[in-house]
Amino acid sequence: SQQGEEDPQALSIQEGENATMNCSYKTSINNLQWYRQNSGRGLVHLILIRSNEREKHSGRLRVTLDTSKKSSSLLITASRAADTASYFCATALTGANSKLTFGKGITLSVRP
Amino acid sequence: KAGVTQTPRYLIKTRGQQVTLSCSPISGHRSVSWYQQTPGQGLQFLFEYFSETQRNKGNFPGRFSGRQFSNSRSEMNVSTLELGDSALYLCASRVWTVMNTEAFFGQGTRLTVV
Repeated sequence: SQQGEEDPQALSIQEGENATMNCSYKTSINNLQWYRQNSGRGLVHLILIRSNEREKHSGRLRVTLDTSKKSSSLLITASRAADTASYFCATALTGANSKLTFGKGITLSVRP
Repeated sequence: KAGVTQTPRYLIKTRGQQVTLSCSPISGHRSVSWYQQTPGQGLQFLFEYFSETQRNKGNFPGRFSGRQFSNSRSEMNVSTLELGDSALYLCASRVWTVMNTEAFFGQGTRLTVV
């Protein structure tokens, strides 16, 4: 079963607007990661936030993590048409043996 | 530094046949994971290899198998193909540490079973 579940499943916004995507998970984690996938291609790592961190920034990306609610959010500010893609959250449990478990993804469409 | 390389990029096979997919990780990465991606099920974890040993395994039938070589390159094999095996197969490499660093993905192999 999926550890992470993203919400909403699909999001359509206008260029320049902010996009907020949410991810909920079920068990305690070591870290949570966000990935982007352009149509039919491999995933690209965006950002990693550890369980002892609450917020992290990378360029136009802002990620928050609330371990008490077992949830994370990804904010993309000032979106561009090139941000159109599927976004996935992935959780990693503690220990090097831990696999990455992905949610089903959010489809983001940014209209020019 | 070269990225993760998957070959072939596209494959068409007939039901009942078998297929082998290849993945070359980023130099220095000793962990290779395989995922199956379908529109209905999303990204499903198949297995992960480190130092030629399978370290994690997902919930797939025994028809799905893999191996890793001493140079960290990995292969995935699917025997007795079924129509439902049509999917994008992705491999990812990462540094094997307790810090669970990010995974780097290849472009995938698109398998179509007819």
